[in-house]
Amino acid sequence: EVQLVESGGALVQPGGSLRLSCAASGFSFNGYSMNWVRQAPGKGLEWVSNIGSSGTTYYADSVRGRFTMSRDTATISVYLQMNSLRDEDTAVYYCATSSEYSISSGMYYWGQGTLVTVSS
Amino acid sequence: QSVLTQPPSVSAAPGQTVTISCSGSSSNIGNNYVSWYQQLPGTAPKLLIYDNNRRPSGIPDRFSGSKSGASGTLGITGLQTGDEAVYYCGTWDSSLSARVFGGGTKLTVL
Repeated sequence: EVQLVESGGALVQPGGSLRLSCAASGFSFNGYSMNWVRQAPGKGLEWVSNIGSSGTTYYADSVRGRFTMSRDTATISVYLQMNSLRDEDTAVYYCATSSEYSISSGMYYWGQGTLVTVSS
Repeated sequence: QSVLTQPPSVSAAPGQTVTISCSGSSSNIGNNYVSWYQQLPGTAPKLLIYDNNRRPSGIPDRFSGSKSGASGTLGITGLQTGDEAVYYCGTWDSSLSARVFGGGTKLTVL
C-alpha cells in the first residue's frame, strides 16, 4: 500500500523557519518525482514545488528563494525547508507523487497533509 | 487569480450527468496533459483523471476526461450524493515552469 505521511507542521512566527517532512512507502521512490502542494484555509490548491529523482527542482514564484525542497533515498523522504515565513504561507501542506517521465502528468498519490500556521 | 479557469459551481440532480470545464492557454493545457482531482470535505485531494482521459485504478468509469485545444472537460454520469465535492483541474505551464491549478468547482448534487 502506498503511503505518504507528512509531518513538521506547527505554529511559527512571521520571519521564522520550519522544515516539513514526507515519509514515503509502498512504491519505488526513485522512480517518481515528488511535489508539495498547499491549501490555505477555505481556498483552492496551490502547487509549491517539485523535485525529480535526479534532484532537479522547480518552485512556484511565491516561494522561490525562501523554500528549498530536497529528497533523501536513505530515509525515503522528501523535505521542504521553509524560511522567511509570511502570514500568507499559512496552509495545509500536502506531498504528492508525479511521473518522473512526464512532468505534466497527474499527481497520483497524496498524503493527508500537515498544517502550517504563520502568526504572531 | 488562477491560471486555469473553472466555473465556481455546478449542480445537478442524482442520476444526471454534469460536465466541468477548464480553460487555459497554449502554454499549459494546449501543449500538456490535463488532470482532474476530487476533494471531498475535510480530506486530501484524490486523482480522478490523468493524461487528459486516463483513470487510475479504482476510479469508476462514471468519471471521464477529454481535452480539445487549450480546454479540458471532466464528465460525471449517474451522479450520486457522494460525488459532492470540489473538483480541480491541473497541468504544467511550460512558460512558468510550474504546475498550475484551476480555482476549483464545487459540485452540488441536489
